[in-house]
Amino acid sequence: EDQVTQSPEALRLQEGESSSLNCSYTVSGLRGLFWYRQDPGKGPEFLFTLYSAGEEKEKERLKATLTKKESFLHITAPKPEDSATYLCAVITGNQFYFGTGTSLTVIP
Amino acid sequence: DTAVSQTPKYLVTQMGNDKSIKCEQNLGHDTMYWYKQDSKKFLKIMFSYNNKELIINETVPNRFSPKSPDKAHLNLHINSLELGDSAVYFCASSHNPPPDTQYFGPGTRLTVL
Repeated sequence: EDQVTQSPEALRLQEGESSSLNCSYTVSGLRGLFWYRQDPGKGPEFLFTLYSAGEEKEKERLKATLTKKESFLHITAPKPEDSATYLCAVITGNQFYFGTGTSLTVIP
Repeated sequence: DTAVSQTPKYLVTQMGNDKSIKCEQNLGHDTMYWYKQDSKKFLKIMFSYNNKELIINETVPNRFSPKSPDKAHLNLHINSLELGDSAVYFCASSHNPPPDTQYFGPGTRLTVL
């Protein structure tokens, strides 16, 4: 069964403490993997799209990587404004699968 | 400069009523989507239209009917609302059909009493 699992469910970091969020998937025929950030009461905000294993993308303190089974979102020296829920989604064919997200809290 | 907008932002209604949520995008995209996010924050796609034609139609009750009058608009009409329809509904758009990147609206919180 096609599935997307994100871990951990929640993560608390001190400001400046780097860490990684995981998105593992079991789908056939991956066409793309997306990372979104969602703030409370708002819609998901696009961060990255990865299309093939080995691909990496960076934006400010965030770096996304992709293997054949999982993707990591690395956060380097996070700041309190990075606090949000980070969502991963995969697409296979025309089927979309979202994970339930990792809630990140960065403490000053 | 709102890219994807939805109205209303909040909708509170009684069970059995019929309601509509409107979505508009000014990005010039050809593809639009409707998602439902439940209380556990799980996002699930409902429908997608490309150039006013339905391309994705997930298993949702027939009470939900999308309507796309033009490429920039995708409205969601819900008949005979039920308690379980309470959720946040997000509209999104992308330049091309999947797997193109999607941009989301701010959401409509629907509460059915």
